Amino acid sequence: EPEVTQTPSHQVTQMGQEVILRCVPISNHLYFYWYRQILGQKVEFLVSFYNNEISEKSEIFDDQFSVERPDGSNFTLKIRSTKLEDSAMYFCASNELGNEQFFGPGTRLTVL
Amino acid sequence: DQQVKQNSPSLSVQEGRISILNCDYTNSMFDYFLWYKKYPAEGPTFLISISSIKDKNEDGRFTVFLNKSAKHLSLHIVPSQPGDSAVYFCAASSSNFGNEKLTFGTGTRLTIIP
Repeated sequence: EPEVTQTPSHQVTQMGQEVILRCVPISNHLYFYWYRQILGQKVEFLVSFYNNEISEKSEIFDDQFSVERPDGSNFTLKIRSTKLEDSAMYFCASNELGNEQFFGPGTRLTVL
Repeated sequence: DQQVKQNSPSLSVQEGRISILNCDYTNSMFDYFLWYKKYPAEGPTFLISISSIKDKNEDGRFTVFLNKSAKHLSLHIVPSQPGDSAVYFCAASSSNFGNEKLTFGTGTRLTIIP
């Protein structure tokens, strides 16, 4: 069964460093998302992406964040200068029109 | 801004009995509701959904009920099995036409007691 994959599973970085989280959505899906879950809190929407542009972003998704679909398969989330409070699980999701969103296994980001 | 609330952080149920997980929402624009199950160190897994034009949707052991006037939905699992032990998230969106963000509740940890 097709699934969303994410790499790396765990990323440790120093505060102020740039990180890129990678996702491969399900191949025939059209819509792509990033969510995050800070430990002990709920899953929060960051950004949605369709047709090579951002459809919607939350207030969390400030100028330090960017997304890209550099080729036909990958979907990336970049954090330019990480902060301690960026430590969280980051989930990528994708879906087709009218369908539920399928989530990847997540990348645990730890900012030291 | 808790638009989707799950007021029970945890629930324990005997194996074979019914598990009932509850969810309330405040945003009248929500039109589509979903339940996800999450194991530790994994992403949320879709379980079942319901559109606001329905009041019930059933899929095997899982049934979701929607009371739009009360802005309340519930997930029934019957019979409960040990493999159902996980965190369950209620989520809502303003449509099911794709490209709509999901707003999640805080989750309920369900433990099935053998």
